[in-house]
Amino acid sequence: AQKITQTQPGMFVQEKEAVTLDCTYDTSDPSYGLFWYKQPSSGEMIFLIYQGSYDQQNATEGRYSLNFQKARKSANLVISASQLGDSAMYFCAMSTGGTSYGKLTFGQGTILTVHP
Amino acid sequence: DTGVSQDPRHKITKRGQNVTFRCDPISEHNRLYWYRQTLGQGPEFLTYFQNEAQLEKSRLLSDRFSAERPKGSFSTLEIQRTEQGDSAMYLCASSPGGGNFRSPLHFGNGTRLTVT
Repeated sequence: AQKITQTQPGMFVQEKEAVTLDCTYDTSDPSYGLFWYKQPSSGEMIFLIYQGSYDQQNATEGRYSLNFQKARKSANLVISASQLGDSAMYFCAMSTGGTSYGKLTFGQGTILTVHP
Repeated sequence: DTGVSQDPRHKITKRGQNVTFRCDPISEHNRLYWYRQTLGQGPEFLTYFQNEAQLEKSRLLSDRFSAERPKGSFSTLEIQRTEQGDSAMYLCASSPGGGNFRSPLHFGNGTRLTVT
C-alpha cells in the first residue's frame, strides 16, 4: 500500500521569501511518480510539478522545485520568491506503475499563507 | 483545451434523496477519474474509466454509489439514499489515453455536496 505523509498542517512565509513544504512517502513499488498540487479556496486542484522515481535530477518548474531524496523517501516542494497568490492548500501525491496510473494517493495537505 | 467541467458546483440535499453529478473531461482525454475530498483532508480515489470501461472501483464506493461513462465522453456519479457522511467535495479529473504514471491529472472545480 502507498502512503503520503505531510507533517506540516500550516506554514507561513513572508512575501518574496522561499518556503519548503515537506512530504514523505512509502511504497514498495520501484516505479512511482510524485506530484504536487495546489488547491486555492476555489477548490480546483492545480498541477505544479512531477518527479519520477528513476529521474536523476530534481524537477523544476519556474518558481517550483522538488527536492527529491530517494533514500529518505522524501519529496519536498520548494517555492522560491513567494507571492501572495501562492496562499493555498498544497498536496503531495503519488502514483505507482502499472495500468492504474492516475490513481493517486494524496497526503493531508499543508496550508500555506503568504504575508505581505 | 477548455478544462474539466463539473456540474453542479454545489448541491444541498436531504438525507435519503438521490443525487447525480456530471463531469465533462478534456475532450481528447480517454481516462476519467472520480475522487472524494472531505474537509481538511486530501482527495481519495473512488473510481476511474478508460473510455467507457470502468476499470477500478475503490472500497470507498459503496453499493449506493454508481458511476457511468456511457459513450466514453462525459461521466455521471450517482449517490442513492444519501447519508450525512456523504457530504464532501466530489472531484473529477482526466488524463490523456496512452499515458503512464508520469501523466498529471487535470482536475475540475468539483461538486460540493451537503446532506442535511
